[in-house]
Amino acid sequence: DIKMTQSPSTLSASVGDTVTITCRASQSVNSWLAWYQQKPGQPPKLLIYMASSLETGVPSRFTGSGSGMEFTLTITSLQPDDFATYYCQQYETYSPFAFGAGTKVDMK
Amino acid sequence: QVQLVESGGGVVQPGRSLRLSCVASGFPFRSFSMHWVRLTPGKGLEWLGVISDDGLNEDYIDPVKGRFTISRDNSKNTLYLQLNSLRGDDTAVYYCARGLPNWYRGYFDHWGQGALVTVSS
Repeated sequence: DIKMTQSPSTLSASVGDTVTITCRASQSVNSWLAWYQQKPGQPPKLLIYMASSLETGVPSRFTGSGSGMEFTLTITSLQPDDFATYYCQQYETYSPFAFGAGTKVDMK
Repeated sequence: QVQLVESGGGVVQPGRSLRLSCVASGFPFRSFSMHWVRLTPGKGLEWLGVISDDGLNEDYIDPVKGRFTISRDNSKNTLYLQLNSLRGDDTAVYYCARGLPNWYRGYFDHWGQGALVTVSS
């Protein structure tokens, strides 16, 4: 099974900051990686797929990069609506489609 | 617009069963693989399993194999998750999610609102 490791688990930031979340896979997933944002009481929302493709309607301040085993999600100029938990997910293989443990972005 | 509406959650005793439903609208349901994912406080998001667009292929994570079953009725645009032999660590919010046409590879671009399942005596 492919394991996904996210860091940090918690990140404290202020509005206007640029934040970066890292996701590492235990083996190569090529570019088959997605990022999601989840707020309390809401379902996850797809932000990025294919490691760097922005989902329709997602603001351009969200940027995904990487390939192989290491990926990053960068949020430029953090907005109040961006305080949430972020998850990466590999989909190179369905056995299983593993998520990272999540990174909570909270207010400093 | 794409909508996934779940129902069937609730409180259930350990060892008992429950069936969740997810009614889809706004897209050709029979053309997409469908998935179930759960959210637990301790483990975050956990992908549970997938069913192919035609319902002929399924796969599950090991902890739920033999206990959970995914099925679909394309004539009713409805996805199901049968949960049997429930345990305390199955307590979670369960989401249905739309995958890609290919069931063996996918991210999830639309999600249901979630159904809370609490396993407790």
